[in-house]
Amino acid sequence: DVKVTQSSRYLVKRTGEKVFLECVQDMDHENMFWYRQDPGLGLRLIYFSYDVKMKEKGDIPEGYSVSREKKERFSLILESASTNQTSMYLCASTGTSGIHEQYFGPGTRLTVT
Amino acid sequence: KNQVEQSPQSLIILEGKNCTLQCNYTVSPFSNLRWYKQDTGRGPVSLTIMTFSENTKSNGRYTATLDADTKQSSLHITASQLSDSASYICVVSAERGFQKLVFGTGTRLLVSP
Repeated sequence: DVKVTQSSRYLVKRTGEKVFLECVQDMDHENMFWYRQDPGLGLRLIYFSYDVKMKEKGDIPEGYSVSREKKERFSLILESASTNQTSMYLCASTGTSGIHEQYFGPGTRLTVT
Repeated sequence: KNQVEQSPQSLIILEGKNCTLQCNYTVSPFSNLRWYKQDTGRGPVSLTIMTFSENTKSNGRYTATLDADTKQSSLHITASQLSDSASYICVVSAERGFQKLVFGTGTRLLVSP
């Protein structure tokens, strides 16, 4: 079974803090993704990575950065958290063969106060 | 503009009853269509993935249909159970290779005893 894990289920941070969200997958997938999910808006892609040290901006990258130093790990960084970054953050991974089924982690609910 | 619209936004049904959720999309070029189930506070889990050439696919009590001509899909749930209470998200893949996904905002289903 594919497993995507995220470092925290719930996080509460203060405005201006630097926040790290970690994601690890155990299926040797090349592609990893970070999304945020807000009520009424669906999932929106923040960043994705198709290889170690490679990254591409998604639809809403402003205020975020990412790091992929190892194939299994993809980190999302909020350099200076703001209240409008309060959201559910979902990590996903997919391989490069077949139909590219995307496997999601359990999510991190981040609250910025 | 690539869009995925789902209806209804929310639905309440009695345990044991059937229901059908709708998905209309304007995504081009089309690669595949996915239905995900997302329990509250959890990451989405894949139910079905259909390519252009498939018009129906089942996963237990879940049956998805696809009409690529009219760009419509439906998810039919048979003999609903309390555990079916969740959000159901329709996702369309806009291109091959790197899998540009367009997410609907979901239908929230509540199965009542």
